[in-house]
Amino acid sequence: GESVGLHLPTLSVQEGDNSIINCAYSNSASDYFIWYKQESGKGPQFIIDIRSNMDKRQGQRVTVLLNKTVKHLSLQIAATQPGDSAVYFCAENGGMNTGFQKLVFGTGTRLLVSP
Amino acid sequence: GAVVSQHPSWVICKSGTSVKIECRSLDFQATTMFWYRQFPKQSLMLMATSNEGSKATYEQGVEKDKFLINHASLTLSTLTVTSAHPEDSSFYICSAEGGRRTYEQYFGPGTRLTVT
Repeated sequence: GESVGLHLPTLSVQEGDNSIINCAYSNSASDYFIWYKQESGKGPQFIIDIRSNMDKRQGQRVTVLLNKTVKHLSLQIAATQPGDSAVYFCAENGGMNTGFQKLVFGTGTRLLVSP
Repeated sequence: GAVVSQHPSWVICKSGTSVKIECRSLDFQATTMFWYRQFPKQSLMLMATSNEGSKATYEQGVEKDKFLINHASLTLSTLTVTSAHPEDSSFYICSAEGGRRTYEQYFGPGTRLTVT
């Protein structure tokens, strides 16, 4: 049946600030992690990914940090812009050797950027 | 490249009717497609995984007779919600794997289903 709705954690920042969004994952067997951005009424958009043999990966204005010891993932957004306002999800693959990536999504964080 | 489309983008139907949602990979062949549902302010929950030409694999708790999945070709998968009820109202999102970046899932824009 339908689950009870939950309030998403929200991070509010000013335009130009750096944002850090955190995610705790559950499966120590996961070896591939992805951050997605989802705007209202749209599908998730790939931001950046990281494999478990790395602890940091940088993209354009974004950095993902992976701490396998404590099963923690973070997304850093530099010089946050109003267009970055969205819900951000982390996803893990559960380390499943199925021939395809079966993703498990985190609960999500809403990022609100004020001008 | 690696564009996934869904049709329709939104649909309203009456209780008891069936609704079909299409998911297409426009510029690549999708070896695997996934169907998710998302309730308001919640995360994406995987419903089923489908490979072209074979039966879909459903997640625990998802009724396969209610959510019929057909992966007829390498570019098309359909999800049919049969005998829809108001509690089936949700945002349904598909994704496809098999583009330029192996194992990356490319997501469709989603379909908003409202059952009255």
